[in-house]
Amino acid sequence: AQSVTQLGSHVSVSEGALVLLRCNYSSSVPPYLFWYVQYPNQGLQLLLKYTTGATLVKGINGFEAEFKKSETSFHLTKPSAHMSDAAEYFCAVSDYFGNEKLTFGTGTRLTIIP
Amino acid sequence: NAGVTQTPKFQVLKTGQSMTLQCAQDMNHNSMYWYRQDPGMGLRLIYYSASEGTTDKGEVPNGYNVSRLNKREFSLRLESAAPSQTSVYFCASSADRRANYGYTFGSGTRLTVV
Repeated sequence: AQSVTQLGSHVSVSEGALVLLRCNYSSSVPPYLFWYVQYPNQGLQLLLKYTTGATLVKGINGFEAEFKKSETSFHLTKPSAHMSDAAEYFCAVSDYFGNEKLTFGTGTRLTIIP
Repeated sequence: NAGVTQTPKFQVLKTGQSMTLQCAQDMNHNSMYWYRQDPGMGLRLIYYSASEGTTDKGEVPNGYNVSRLNKREFSLRLESAAPSQTSVYFCASSADRRANYGYTFGSGTRLTVV
């Protein structure tokens, strides 16, 4: 069985500061890893994903994440926060062998301080 | 616009009433999913359909039934609503049962059971 832990249900950063949202996963087989963003009163939108290959993946809106197998982590970063980044972010995991279901973390709400 | 369409967007039910949440996608996706989102719990899978003609239980199926009417449509039915089913419900679809494609989400149905 797979699981995802997102450290910090709420994160606040100042506009222009580094954004770091933490995600650790548990999987007995090689994982597929995803970050989704949810803006208020909207559905989830895919930010980026890691399946195979390069461990540093770039997504939309300047976000990127690095797959670190030794640390079982897939943290999301952005060098400079913008007011429009305020949203809830979800990390999700599936498995390499085609398990058709994603398992989501409990989410991290990001607040940007002007 | 291509995507996943959910109806209705909002609904208030009395305890014991029944209703069906509708979901349709126009991306020719094979797999479809129903999740519920509750504060502090992230997204939990209710039911999914890996392909037309098949449905399977997810993490929290009790109190729900589903129908994969055709390749486009996947409905969720509450036979006898309970206050514990107050939640935001999301439908999602994926091109293939392999999760590496990621999911496309609808905008959600906010359901209140009183």
